[in-house]
Amino acid sequence: EVQLVQSGAEVKKPGESLRISCKASGYTYTSFWIVWVRQMPGKGLEWMARIDPTDSYINYSPSFQGRVTLSVDKSSSTAFLEWSTLEASDTAIYYCARYGNYYMDVWGEGTTVTVSS
Amino acid sequence: QSALTQPPSASGSPGQSVTISCTGTSNDVGAYKYVSWYQQHPGKAPKPIISEVNKRPSGVPDRFSGSKSGNTASLTVSGLQPEDEGDYYCTSSAGNNILVFGGGTKLTVL
Repeated sequence: EVQLVQSGAEVKKPGESLRISCKASGYTYTSFWIVWVRQMPGKGLEWMARIDPTDSYINYSPSFQGRVTLSVDKSSSTAFLEWSTLEASDTAIYYCARYGNYYMDVWGEGTTVTVSS
Repeated sequence: QSALTQPPSASGSPGQSVTISCTGTSNDVGAYKYVSWYQQHPGKAPKPIISEVNKRPSGVPDRFSGSKSGNTASLTVSGLQPEDEGDYYCTSSAGNNILVFGGGTKLTVL
């Protein structure tokens, strides 16, 4: 079964750093991009960026360029989304998804990130 | 890239049909056939229901259909059922391997 399993909920303070993960299983990891999507409380979905696990090539949405960093560990089939300095406005649910055949066909369950002093 | 434009809400009675629009520009919806639609129920991850404008992923009922004309894509749900209530999002390629979502439409089954 194809699955994306995301890391658990996080509660952080402004200024702290954070890395969340998305572990894939059930398919050849390097055959599909991984996409990250943000959903702020009560709001819609926002496409953040995508990474090609083959070569770690990344495309960022202009809205998120410079605010987050994507990476992958091919040995563990895991993708990461990282912040160096969190802000309250980063409070959201973050989904990872597999991008294949021109759409996001498999989604993780989401990681809730809460940033509050 | 600006978000694609969707109506904030739509509604219909069981058995009726409803169509949700998704308007972009000649740089996204109008330029590519890579428009997809996602359904999201409260507290759940989004689920794909349409890919490449009008293709249904395996397991998606044929009550769901998609189309595109110019810079506007559309999702039609025929024979509305109570479980179709939820939020619906379109997305399109916007070039340079970037995607853009619509603002979402809340579908209510009356």
